[in-house]
Amino acid sequence: DGGITQSPKYLFRKEGQNVTLSCEQNLNHDAMYWYRQDPGQGLRLIYYSQIVNDFQKGDIAEGYSVSREKKESFPLTVTSAQKNPTAFYLCASSIAAKNIQYFGAGTRLSVL
Amino acid sequence: AQTVTQSQPEMSVQEAETVTLSCTYDTSESDYYLFWYKQPPSRQMILVIRQEAYKQQNATENRFSVNFQKAAKSFSLKISDSQLGDAAMYFCAYRRRDMRFGAGTRLTVKP
Repeated sequence: DGGITQSPKYLFRKEGQNVTLSCEQNLNHDAMYWYRQDPGQGLRLIYYSQIVNDFQKGDIAEGYSVSREKKESFPLTVTSAQKNPTAFYLCASSIAAKNIQYFGAGTRLSVL
Repeated sequence: AQTVTQSQPEMSVQEAETVTLSCTYDTSESDYYLFWYKQPPSRQMILVIRQEAYKQQNATENRFSVNFQKAAKSFSLKISDSQLGDAAMYFCAYRRRDMRFGAGTRLTVKP
């Protein structure tokens, strides 16, 4: 089945640790996005990528890093510099930058 | 910067009745897209409906329809014949280059 797969569903981070959230899509979409959702709030854009080997910062990129080595994959690393990482993270993709975004099921990140 | 405002943090509707969720946005652009997404308890974001700003006709998808007022920068969602499965968070979103989301409206459906 075509879709967007995020893993793991739940992730725990220790102090000072970097963790990586996986996002894979088999929809042949060019553009991919990472959002953060805090309780009672909408989604905020962390990073996005419109083509392979290229990505841009969103509104809240500090403390995060991404890579786009393959069209299908857009992993997000939450670094130790992100002091408040506890949130729900959503990955999305679209055919092109202006098209409908389709979302994965999300990853819940918590700090131990 | 574009902003999206959903002024109703919570709404409630009786099953089979109609409810309207409000959304306003701020932009100086003339060409853009507007969306309503639904987020049920599973937290998966599901597209409900999309509106292109250049189209005057309001979009409809089965029981879901919008009232798009471009001059007023208003984009409300009407849900007709509400069902228990419609209970969710609903997010309004604006897209020109990147996507901007409102804070959401939590819809409760009473049996």
